[in-house]
Amino acid sequence: DQQVKQNSPSLSVQEGRISILNCDYTNSMFDYFLWYKKYPAEGPTFLISISSIKDKNEDGRFTVFLNKSAKHLSLHIVPSQPGDSAVYFCAAVQGGSEKLVFGKGTKLTVNP
Amino acid sequence: KAGVTQTPRYLIKTRGQQVTLSCSPISGHRSVSWYQQTPGQGLQFLFEYFSETQRNKGNFPGRFSGRQFSNSRSEMNVSTLELGDSALYLCASSSGTGEETQYFGPGTRLLVL
Repeated sequence: DQQVKQNSPSLSVQEGRISILNCDYTNSMFDYFLWYKKYPAEGPTFLISISSIKDKNEDGRFTVFLNKSAKHLSLHIVPSQPGDSAVYFCAAVQGGSEKLVFGKGTKLTVNP
Repeated sequence: KAGVTQTPRYLIKTRGQQVTLSCSPISGHRSVSWYQQTPGQGLQFLFEYFSETQRNKGNFPGRFSGRQFSNSRSEMNVSTLELGDSALYLCASSSGTGEETQYFGPGTRLLVL
């Protein structure tokens, strides 16, 4: 039973364009969501997070949108850069717990 | 501030052996969580320690255990290793007060032969 789903295993975009990574969740008790970026054989690097009381959070080129009614969040990267090429993981956490539940990841490739 | 550190970075063991992995959290962080990453299952939560007590546990067999010391450093132990235990083991730390970011270490790559 996968509570956090990233349905696109891969995404390819041109440099300078927008990258949109999507994530769906099933557990309505999740109240905090995070995006991590990961390179092979390295630990995930935190990118941006959002609390369930908000519907948008922005940090530089990264914006996360949360649609609670649809149980859906997305990460927008504008403009995309070749250095953004990595695997992006969506994670969710419930009620003060430290237990992160991860999606399977989306491999983003930004072409020069 | 120094980040989360994990030792060793790479490890090769044989079936039936046991292994201990170490994690030093970011200074001031009291919560340490462990995750296993495999190609098939993705990133899965093992357990979390806070103030030397296990506070959360994932769905892993009892062969996987951990502990936390008074300085918040944590160790994870896997006994009677199986081939399927080959994975990247990641440690993450946070202040432990909830709804906040966990910061990950570089991981320990374990290969069981």
